[in-house]
Amino acid sequence: AQRVTQPEKLLSVFKGAPVELKCNYSYSGSPELFWYVQYSRQRLQLLLRHISRESIKGFTADLNKGETSFHLKKPFAQEEDSAMYYCALSGGNQGGKLIFGQGTELSVKP
Amino acid sequence: NAGVTQTPKFQVLKTGQSMTLQCAQDMNHNSMYWYRQDPGMGLRLIYYSASEGTTDKGEVPNGYNVSRLNKREFSLRLESAAPSQTSVYFCASSAGTQGNEQFFGPGTRLTVL
Repeated sequence: AQRVTQPEKLLSVFKGAPVELKCNYSYSGSPELFWYVQYSRQRLQLLLRHISRESIKGFTADLNKGETSFHLKKPFAQEEDSAMYYCALSGGNQGGKLIFGQGTELSVKP
Repeated sequence: NAGVTQTPKFQVLKTGQSMTLQCAQDMNHNSMYWYRQDPGMGLRLIYYSASEGTTDKGEVPNGYNVSRLNKREFSLRLESAAPSQTSVYFCASSAGTQGNEQFFGPGTRLTVL
């Protein structure tokens, strides 16, 4: 079965500290993985996708097929990074639907 | 371009009442989706429409119906609301193939008393 797991409901760090939001997935084929972010009072939006291999707002994520993980990392957290982060998987099924994880709330303290 | 729009933004219902949540997109996307967002549960897919004229069940379809009225519009109906349907509902759209970005609406916060 397709599944995305984000083990941490809440992650709290201080400004300038490194941050890693964990994401593990279960899928038998070749998935595409995404990170979506929801800032306070804003709509959910795409942060990055693994096929782009790009850094957005200082965040990076590498797909590790061996460990079936797609962890989101940033070396120096900023207060404006505080938000809800969702990992999502697209499995090549009809209509491009996504399977989302439970979400991790990141709180960056000054 | 407005992107994805949803109405209403807020709604309070009594148990047993019915209502329809409206969603429209102006990006000429093929696929549209309805999710519910609950604390600790993430976003769960209720129904989706891969293309105009088709709809399919997602992870949590019970108690809901949908209509893909045309390419732009995708509505979600609660025939007999229950307190368990208290949630925030998001509509999204995408071009419709694997890897396409989904664009989300602002959400509808629904409370069922």
